[in-house]
Amino acid sequence: DAGVIQSPRHEVTEMGQEVTLRCKPISGHNSLFWYRQTMMRGLELLIYFNNNVPIDDSGMPEDRFSAKMPNASFSTLKIQPSEPRDSAVYFCASSFRTDPYSNQPQHFGDGTRLSIL
Amino acid sequence: GQNIDQPTEMTATEGAIVQINCTYQTSGFNGLFWYQQHAGEAPTFLSYNVLDGLEEKGRFSSFLSRSKGYSYLLLKELQMKDSASYLCAVRAEDSNYQLIWGAGTKLIIKP
Repeated sequence: DAGVIQSPRHEVTEMGQEVTLRCKPISGHNSLFWYRQTMMRGLELLIYFNNNVPIDDSGMPEDRFSAKMPNASFSTLKIQPSEPRDSAVYFCASSFRTDPYSNQPQHFGDGTRLSIL
Repeated sequence: GQNIDQPTEMTATEGAIVQINCTYQTSGFNGLFWYQQHAGEAPTFLSYNVLDGLEEKGRFSSFLSRSKGYSYLLLKELQMKDSASYLCAVRAEDSNYQLIWGAGTKLIIKP
């Protein structure tokens, strides 16, 4: 079975440019998560969706970040304008469901390594 | 507030046993996950505990004590490929039941 698919794997761009990260969750999973990982702050949840609906975006750093999930098989995370401090590895993860009693693990994509110059 | 503590780095010898500890302070605990992350790769799920006690999966076991806010991951018969970071993540009411992640423990296996 295909896992979570993210693209691009690497992105290097100049400050001020728009960056779009893409994610295809595992088929049948109805929860999708966007994370950011850095050495300083570890793994941080940015936003998550249940059944394509954004549930909690309190982790989104600021208005420059936005995420969409137009259908069950696709999500994007956009940064506009990008800044050097946005440089990090961005992971997308999916799971069958997320609720207080779920033992379903999250499955991670390979991540996008983003460098903003 | 929410807090998860893990040792930053540990070293162990191939063939030996190592225990990686995780302590947490949260409200409304509702499950703890362990993940493995090799350098430059994605985290992969290892184990889940929600009740007190030991869960065994082959060479890996995970233990939970809810009253102490404590878990450990036990790795037996260590292999070189076990060199990785091990992340502890807790689901709790005060994080709206989303995972709070520890900073991870980097495990170095020596021959």
